[in-house]
Amino acid sequence: GAGVSQSPRYKVAKRGQDVALRCDPISGHVSLFWYQQALGQGPEFLTYFQNEAQLDKSGLPSDRFFAERPEGSVSTLKIQRTQQEDSAVYLCASSLVRSQNIQYFGAGTRLSVL
Amino acid sequence: KQEVTQIPAALSVPEGENLVLNCSFTDSAIYNLQWFRQDPGKGLTSLLLIQSSQREQTSGRLNASLDKSSGRSTLYIAASQPGDSATYLCAVHMDSNYQLIWGAGTKLIIKP
Repeated sequence: GAGVSQSPRYKVAKRGQDVALRCDPISGHVSLFWYQQALGQGPEFLTYFQNEAQLDKSGLPSDRFFAERPEGSVSTLKIQRTQQEDSAVYLCASSLVRSQNIQYFGAGTRLSVL
Repeated sequence: KQEVTQIPAALSVPEGENLVLNCSFTDSAIYNLQWFRQDPGKGLTSLLLIQSSQREQTSGRLNASLDKSSGRSTLYIAASQPGDSATYLCAVHMDSNYQLIWGAGTKLIIKP
């Protein structure tokens, strides 16, 4: 497709369950970002990839969060042993080359942890 | 630490009015500033990007200005329409970092 695609769009998890969120960036985009957006707030940076290299994971809130992009295209954000405070919309964005170019966002995955 | 603030948090105006949304930031060492639109259940759409050396950008009925020294940006929407109803967020890229730092957004409702 032409845009950034995220799946699933909605995920309901029981507390303690592991989840995996997928992001398909725009073809050819080098940079990929994950953000977490709580209700009524702006997105918060989680992690950044340049091709397959994870250059910054400083925004990941705990070691339960893990992201990968093994072949430099599709990325997966994994959350282990989910907690209620993990409930949020998780947004993925990609940009063409330079990290400060315009970022194109997917529709997000809304995660609800019960 | 850079902080981005958007005022007001919500705004409701009749159709046809011109309106201004405000964004302020505490650290003027920005690389660029972007305005985004977010519709419920949809992703973020970039509306305008202003480089730190620019003072304004225009796209259709939208005009964004940047006063870097005072740490302010405004988004001007002319002749508002119900389809403009959405949440508008501003975000900055710092000189030293690729992270986007976001405001909490202004929820705009245009009444027919």
